[in-house]
Amino acid sequence: DAKTTQPPSMDCAEGRAANLPCNHSTISGNEYVYWYRQIHSQGPQYIIHGLKNNETNEMASLIITEDRKSSTLILPHATLRDTAVYYCIPSPPNQAGTALIFGKGTTLSVSS
Amino acid sequence: GAVVSQHPSWVICKSGTSVKIECRSLDFQATTMFWYRQFPKQSLMLMATSNEGSKATYEQGVEKDKFLINHASLTLSTLTVTSAHPEDSSFYICSALGPGGNSDGYTFGSGTRLTVV
Repeated sequence: DAKTTQPPSMDCAEGRAANLPCNHSTISGNEYVYWYRQIHSQGPQYIIHGLKNNETNEMASLIITEDRKSSTLILPHATLRDTAVYYCIPSPPNQAGTALIFGKGTTLSVSS
Repeated sequence: GAVVSQHPSWVICKSGTSVKIECRSLDFQATTMFWYRQFPKQSLMLMATSNEGSKATYEQGVEKDKFLINHASLTLSTLTVTSAHPEDSSFYICSALGPGGNSDGYTFGSGTRLTVV
């Protein structure tokens, strides 16, 4: 399974864009990149995922480099409720039956 | 979207007793569910993979006789912490792969806070 590197913590002012980087230089060609976040004392929440194209949904945008060795999650207008631990996780190489393996993630602190 | 319900959300039990945690997929069938444990200020740690109709697969270092997993139907997996001790106090979380497989993502329960006194 691919390993990831994320900064342990980041700060962001409310209303500004939060750009969270992730390095996954050993990702396999068929692995998706998933992003989840975990607000204190809750289960992880799905944010977005992608294979090689940039993706956008109502929560965030995902920018994946052409070589797929890194990606950036963008929260366009961070709010206080976006304070959480963000995890970048390459998906398992199998299609089913293999769990997501969490790294340490990035603790994002949004302040007013 | 896919929803996974976990119950109870918190439980306090005495040392030596057993506690059962339920994980249900509400609007889809999940042949595979996963159980995680999370200690304070740490990341989620995979404990076991629960397979419907067969034995669970445990991660290295997880005692299968202590953490009993039953996945008797396509929508329900249970984790029973047997003879609980204070060191078993943790946040337990289940997840399941959505109906669309890898393209759907994994859905997580809201977690169960277990405190053993």
